[in-house]
This record gives sequence, C-alpha cells and structure tokens, in this order.
Amino acid sequence: DIQMTQSPSSLSASVGDRVTITCRASQGISNYLAWYQQKPGKIPKLLIYAASTLQSGVPSRFSGSGSGTDFTLTIDSLQPEDVAAYYCQRYNTAPFTFGPGTKVDVK
Amino acid sequence: EVQLLESGGGLVQPGGSLRLSCAASGFTFSSYAMSWVRQPPGKGLEWVSSISGSGASTYYADSVKGRFIFSRDNSNNTLYLQMNSLRAEDTAIYYCAKVRSGEAAAAANYWGQGTLVTVSS
Repeated sequence: DIQMTQSPSSLSASVGDRVTITCRASQGISNYLAWYQQKPGKIPKLLIYAASTLQSGVPSRFSGSGSGTDFTLTIDSLQPEDVAAYYCQRYNTAPFTFGPGTKVDVK
Repeated sequence: EVQLLESGGGLVQPGGSLRLSCAASGFTFSSYAMSWVRQPPGKGLEWVSSISGSGASTYYADSVKGRFIFSRDNSNNTLYLQMNSLRAEDTAIYYCAKVRSGEAAAAANYWGQGTLVTVSS
C-alpha cells in the first residue's frame, strides 16, 4: 500500500507568518490528494482537493500545490483561528490513507 | 443543508459486535459515495471504509477487512457499518462523511459529528 508521511509533525509560528506543511506519498498519486483541518474538539473540514483546488468557503490564505509524490499546504498569513491539526489524504486508489497529521500552534 | 447524523456507538466487550448508522439529508443521497473515518482518542484520522453511491462497490482498510461490513439503504438515506469481532484498537470516534463524487475515490466534503465506540471489558 502507498504510505503517506507529513512534516513537520508540529510547528509553532507567529501571527502573520507563512506556514508550509509537506505531505509525501511513497508512490505517485497524480493529484489525488486532499487536505483537511481539524480544530481542537471539532470535526475535520475539507480545505483543498485535487492537490490545489480550494474548497468553497475556505479562506484564500490557504493554498495547495504538488503532484506525484510531493505536496504542500501553505497558509500565507497565519491567523489565531488556524490553530489546528492538518491532515493530508490520498484518494487515488483504496485504501484512502491519511497522513499522520501536523499540529499548528500560534506563538 | 447537508446533515449527517451518526448513531449506535457505545461500550462493547472485546469480541462483540456493534452496528453504527448514519442518517443523511440535504443532498441526493444515491449520487454520492460515502465513507467512515475513525479517530482514536488523542490520535489522528484513519480511513476505515468507503462505498460507492450505488452501493455496488465497497472498500475497506486492512485493519477492518473481514470484520466490518459497510452498506447503504438508498431508499432511506441511511448508512450502516456492521462491526464484528471488535478489538480494543477499534476504540475511536467514528465519523461518517459524504464524498464529493459518486465514486469512492474523492475527498470528503461533509462530516458528521461522530459517534464514540469503546471496546473494553
């Protein structure tokens, strides 16, 4: 099965900083990748699908890029409400594996 | 408005069975694939199973294959996850999620609030 890794596992940044999270697939998955945000005590929320398409209603400071095996989620100007865990998920073929997650905190 | 309401969670002994349900509304149910995703307490998300909109295709994580059965009733807009031979490592919040496509290979754009399953003696 294709494995998903994320780095870093956690980060702390200041309000207004640009934050980048990386997701890597052990084999190529084209652009069949989604990013989810899960705030503490809340349900997951879809941010980006097809590697770079912003889900409706998601702030434009979030963006995604990549194809094949390497993907990034970027938050252009970190806001206090962005404190959350972020997960990537591949969905090219089953099993539709999630990455282990990246916890983002604000300094 | 899309709504997904899970039910059926609870405390069950190891080796026991439980059936989760997810009642869906606010969209054309049979047109969309659906998924179950679980989250052990304090841990990350784990994909469990997906089913196509028609119900003809189902997919399972290796960790549950042969023990869980995912089905749907398109006449009643309801999903079912039959969980057998439960183990302590199945303890988690179980979320049902709507997928963006009729086929399972798509991202999940709506999630239920989840139901907690605890497997313990």
